[in-house]
Amino acid sequence: GENVEQHPSTLSVQEGDSAVIKCTYSDSASNYFPWYKQELGKRPQLIIDIRSNVGEKKDQRIAVTLNKTAKHFSLHITETQPEDSAVYFCAASRESGYSTLTFGKGTMLLVSP
Amino acid sequence: DTAVSQTPKYLVTQMGNDKSIKCEQNLGHDTMYWYKQDSKKFLKIMFSYNNKELIINETVPNRFSPKSPDKAHLNLHINSLELGDSAVYFCATTPPNTGELFFGEGSRLTVL
Repeated sequence: GENVEQHPSTLSVQEGDSAVIKCTYSDSASNYFPWYKQELGKRPQLIIDIRSNVGEKKDQRIAVTLNKTAKHFSLHITETQPEDSAVYFCAASRESGYSTLTFGKGTMLLVSP
Repeated sequence: DTAVSQTPKYLVTQMGNDKSIKCEQNLGHDTMYWYKQDSKKFLKIMFSYNNKELIINETVPNRFSPKSPDKAHLNLHINSLELGDSAVYFCATTPPNTGELFFGEGSRLTVL
């Protein structure tokens, strides 16, 4: 089955800095790579995703890159703000049939004012 | 109008008891899931149902028994609760042939 490794487990930055979270996956057939943000006491919510037919995707201050050859993908947050503080999860799956998402272990991002 | 709703949100109980968590989705999706999030925040799939049929059971103990009376509902019954069952349980659903998960708000189970 799929195995997703995520680093770092915690990340502290100053407001305005950039933050980068990296993930690797094991199943070369995986083709869907979402990122979820979970604020304290809340549910995980999708913030951005990328499919294997593209190498990069951007949405305002967040961007995701994918390297299928190396089987790794990354989340980039620029101009971080205190409200970006949360746990971020990467995940991977084959986007077909009954395949389920396999999550990384999460990164706790703390943005200090 | 909440897309995926779970009840109860909080549940505190003693070891050995039996408890249930209910989940309902109004998105019309066929596929529903239960995920367990432990104290270290790790999200792990427990079960997957498609149109009331069990698709995936990720080596969850027999004490956990999901039930899907119809494709809009997926309930989780837990027998003989143990301390290690303390966690947040998330119900989720996904549209056909996509990976995106819509999570419920979670049910925090504390076993004393």
